[in-house]
Amino acid sequence: AQKVTQAQTEISVVEKEDVTLDCVYETRDTTYYLFWYKQPPSGELVFLIRRNSFDEQNEISGRYSWNFQKSTSSFNFTITASQVVDSAVYFCALSEANLNQGGKLIFGQGTELSVKP
Amino acid sequence: DAGITQSPRHKVTETGTPVTLRCHQTENHRYMYWYRQDPGHGLRLIHYSYGVKDTDKGEVSDGYSVSRSKTEDFLLTLESATSSQTSVYFCAISGTSGGSSYEQYFGPGTRLTVT
Repeated sequence: AQKVTQAQTEISVVEKEDVTLDCVYETRDTTYYLFWYKQPPSGELVFLIRRNSFDEQNEISGRYSWNFQKSTSSFNFTITASQVVDSAVYFCALSEANLNQGGKLIFGQGTELSVKP
Repeated sequence: DAGITQSPRHKVTETGTPVTLRCHQTENHRYMYWYRQDPGHGLRLIHYSYGVKDTDKGEVSDGYSVSRSKTEDFLLTLESATSSQTSVYFCAISGTSGGSSYEQYFGPGTRLTVT
């Protein structure tokens, strides 16, 4: 069965600190996709990144970076120089690659990040 | 922003009453999904659709039914609402290219309270 674990329920940091959100996944599929979504206090879900299982290159987008390691089944998310606007719940998710099976997302429980000024 | 709307955005209903939530997209995407969000559980898939009149169950489908008669609309029905169905419901859509999974874009959510 597929499973995503975000062991950190809540994280609190002070502005400008770096913070890493952990994500560990389980799947028997050899081909799969991993995602991160952001849910700010307003409640909408914002897509951040998609990574397929064949691409282990780290991704950087501004202050955001992602580290994908198949050897440890992890897809961690780092925010550099955090800002108050980064305060949100962040979800890691996993989906099978073949949409003929529905492309269903399996979500972790979410990590609530609070960035204090 | 992906063109996804959900209606109603908020609803309070009584136990035992039927409730229908609507998801409407303007993106002409093939795949549509209904999730529920509850504290401590993240989001869990209720039902999904891979085409008009083609639907299948997700992880937490008991007590829910869906219908998709047009590409743009995906309806979620609670035949007889229970307090355990109090939740925030999100609709999502995704496209496809060559059969590979694309990212899902989410609607704004519907907050349902069953009293």
